[in-house]
Amino acid sequence: DTGVSQDPRHKITKRGQNVTFRCDPISEHNRLYWYRQTLGQGPEFLTYFQNEAQLEKSRLLSDRFSAERPKGSFSTLEIQRTEQGDSAMYLCASSLREGQTGYTGELFFGEGSRLTVL
Amino acid sequence: GQQVMQIPQYQHVQEGEDFTTYCNSSTTLSNIQWYKQRPGGHPVFLIQLVKSGEVKKQKRLTFQFGEAKKNSSLHITATQTTDVGTYFCAGHLNNQGGKLIFGQGTELSVKP
Repeated sequence: DTGVSQDPRHKITKRGQNVTFRCDPISEHNRLYWYRQTLGQGPEFLTYFQNEAQLEKSRLLSDRFSAERPKGSFSTLEIQRTEQGDSAMYLCASSLREGQTGYTGELFFGEGSRLTVL
Repeated sequence: GQQVMQIPQYQHVQEGEDFTTYCNSSTTLSNIQWYKQRPGGHPVFLIQLVKSGEVKKQKRLTFQFGEAKKNSSLHITATQTTDVGTYFCAGHLNNQGGKLIFGQGTELSVKP
């Protein structure tokens, strides 16, 4: 399977615990995105990487959230001291940077990691 | 906050009727993409529009990008039950690099 893969698919945790999600993008894609989606809403931008550099992080994102892409391949998203409001689907997507404009081409999404905080 | 707005939030149609969803931005968009998310699935890319006033067609789907590059629409002719899902627009705000902002989506249900 050469698509975007995410792990785990489901995570149930107690409030206050830390959780980490992993995303493996399509191998030749240089951009990687994290989004959060709750029921009935569109994907909410969290952060994105170009290769190993984190180029932007949402201003709405608490400092309990951190993401890394250490070698420009897979990425991890960690949430510390989880709260019930963190319950959501966490979506990872990868894409190629368009050479001339610098904008992002088609996003390929993974199946998502569903987080439930009790 | 959300800078890309979509209306309507829900649309229920009889099979064979047409469907349109509208996407509006408070600021100029460099380009716009459309995605479809089936129930229980993840968003899947449909198309990208780049030029002012651009119109693209994919079988029964017609996509438009406004002249001012602040709005877009997706029109489906003669809906089928396979069209069920949520349709999202997503745009690059001008001069904001790779950040892609999604609208809230329009959920389409089709009654056979």
